[in-house]
Amino acid sequence: QSALTQPASVSGSPGQSITISCTGTSSDVGNYNYVSWYQQHPGKAPKLMIYDVSHRPSGVSNRFSGSKSGNTASLTISGLQAEDEADYYCSSYTSSSTLGVFGTGTKVTVL
Amino acid sequence: EMQLVESGGGLVQPGRSLRLSCAASGFIFDDYAMHWVRQAPGKGLEWVSGINWNSGSIDYADSVKGRFTISRDNAKNSLYLQMNSLRAEDTALYYCAKGGGGSTSYWYFDLWGRGTLVTVSS
Repeated sequence: QSALTQPASVSGSPGQSITISCTGTSSDVGNYNYVSWYQQHPGKAPKLMIYDVSHRPSGVSNRFSGSKSGNTASLTISGLQAEDEADYYCSSYTSSSTLGVFGTGTKVTVL
Repeated sequence: EMQLVESGGGLVQPGRSLRLSCAASGFIFDDYAMHWVRQAPGKGLEWVSGINWNSGSIDYADSVKGRFTISRDNAKNSLYLQMNSLRAEDTALYYCAKGGGGSTSYWYFDLWGRGTLVTVSS
């Protein structure tokens, strides 16, 4: 099972909106609404930001939103802030021999 | 406060074994599936293994299948990972993570530990 494909880096200025894509296949992203997104600051554990494609856990800013179209899921961060600078990973349930898969990761830089 | 604390990592020679533990607190442990996720130095996240609430459903990544065994003791609020035949490519920070529900099909991890580092080297 190959990792989901994410852009290596995305950048934006404070206040702008950015979108991170997560491309899989019809065996994972395209077949299940079980896509989640994680934020990881350097030296820290990942933090759940979005689950089941578009649901936001309690305590996560509403500046973070998720969506899906076909085999590609997306995470949008609006009103970009300095604290949003981190690595972001998507993950999906899969029908392959392994239960689930993570994306390759995207480094978000706030200019 | 909900918390997961991993332990058991260390330096081990290739081919040897290691057992990781994860102590859970602050939530009803036996209501949730639990998972191990690892991260090699400077690399991305890799799901390793998951176990449902009553140990009735267990799954592994292809990369560890046949070498690693996940288990849980609900009476002790603890999760374990027995790692045998360790390889250099198993070197990583191993995170314990709480699933979103009792089944491993609740595919999200809403609580993570700080991780325990496993280094496989001669």
